[in-house]
This record gives sequence, structure tokens and C-alpha cells, in this order.
Amino acid sequence: AQSVTQLGSHVSVSEGALVLLRCNYSSSVPPYLFWYVQYPNQGLQLLLKYTSAATLVKGINGFEAEFKKSETSFHLTKPSAHMSDAAEYFCAVSLTSGNTPLVFGKGTRLSVIA
Amino acid sequence: DTGVSQDPRHKITKRGQNVTFRCDPISEHNRLYWYRQTLGQGPEFLTYFQNEAQLEKSRLLSDRFSAERPKGSFSTLEIQRTEQGDSAMYLCASSSLTDRGQGGELFFGEGSRLTVL
Repeated sequence: AQSVTQLGSHVSVSEGALVLLRCNYSSSVPPYLFWYVQYPNQGLQLLLKYTSAATLVKGINGFEAEFKKSETSFHLTKPSAHMSDAAEYFCAVSLTSGNTPLVFGKGTRLSVIA
Repeated sequence: DTGVSQDPRHKITKRGQNVTFRCDPISEHNRLYWYRQTLGQGPEFLTYFQNEAQLEKSRLLSDRFSAERPKGSFSTLEIQRTEQGDSAMYLCASSSLTDRGQGGELFFGEGSRLTVL
């Protein structure tokens, strides 16, 4: 069965600093990987996804993630944090067959300090 | 495309009562998912449908939970004899199969928050 582990339940960065949110996955077959963001009292919104094309994936709001098979990682980065990036971020995995639902990590809450 | 809508957004009930949540997916999406999210946790999969067929149910879905999607459009999630442990956000999501038969990204509704007193 596939799973994801998000390292750090809470990350705090200064405005303008690099954002790095860590995600490691476990899957017996090549996975699809996703990052979702959840703002307070809102539903989850897709930031970006990896579907076995380019290993460096660019998403919305300046975020990007790199799929590293050797490290089983899919870390999310943004060069310069903005106050509006404060939210909960979830990494998720599914099998490339598409016949299994997404499995989510526990999430990382990002705080941005002025 | 009006997005995934869920109703009600908030429900407060007393222990032992039954509650029902409704989800209207994006109209052309043939897959519909239910997840549960508790404070400080990621969404946990409950069940999903492809058209009207319920394809998978999580072990989290006890006998008190039942989900239906009778015409392959909207879905309902009913919880009977609610318990305080059922308090959570219930999320609905939909997706479409790509031409290659692979599940696409999930589009989530804003959720239905249940509080059991």
C-alpha cells in the first residue's frame, strides 16, 4: 500500500524567505504525487502534480516540487514566502493505474512571519 | 463549471441522532469520493464511486455509515446513531477518468463540518 510522510507538522518562515515543505512517499509501483493547499475554512486546492512526465513540476502561486525517485521524495519549495502563503499543505500519493484513491499525509501548517 | 458543492456546511447534532450530507460533484465527473478530516490530520479516505457503483470502502466506514450515488450524479453520506467520535469535517471530491483510464486530480468541496454533542 502506498503512503506519504510529511516531515514537520508546523513550519515557520519569514516573509521573503525560502519555503521548503518535505514529503516522502512509499509506493511499490511508480506513483502519481500531488500537493494540495487548504486555507482556513476552505476546501483543498491543487497546487501541483507529478504524473511521470518532467521531474520538476511547477504549480500555482510560484510553488514547485521535484520528484526524486532515489530519495522517494517530492518536496515542495517556493523561493520567497508571502504572507498569503500561510495555510495547511498536504502531500498525497496514488498509484499510476488511477484505480486507487489519493492517500494524504498529515499535513504541514505553514506560518509566515512579517 | 460550478465546482463541487456540499450541504449542509455545518451540522450540530446530539449523540444518537442520524445525519445526512449531500455532495454535488462537477457535472462531467464520473468519480466521487468521500473523505473525513479531523483537526490536525490529513483527509482520510472513506469511500468512492464510479458513476453509481461504489467501488471501495475504507475500514473507517463502520456499519453506521452508508453512502449512495443512485443516479451517478449527486451522492449522500448518512451517519446513523452518531457518536462524539464522528465529529469531523466530511469532504467530498470528484474527478474524471482520463482517456487512458487513469484517475485525474481530485476537486474538493468546502466540506461539511459535523459536531456531535
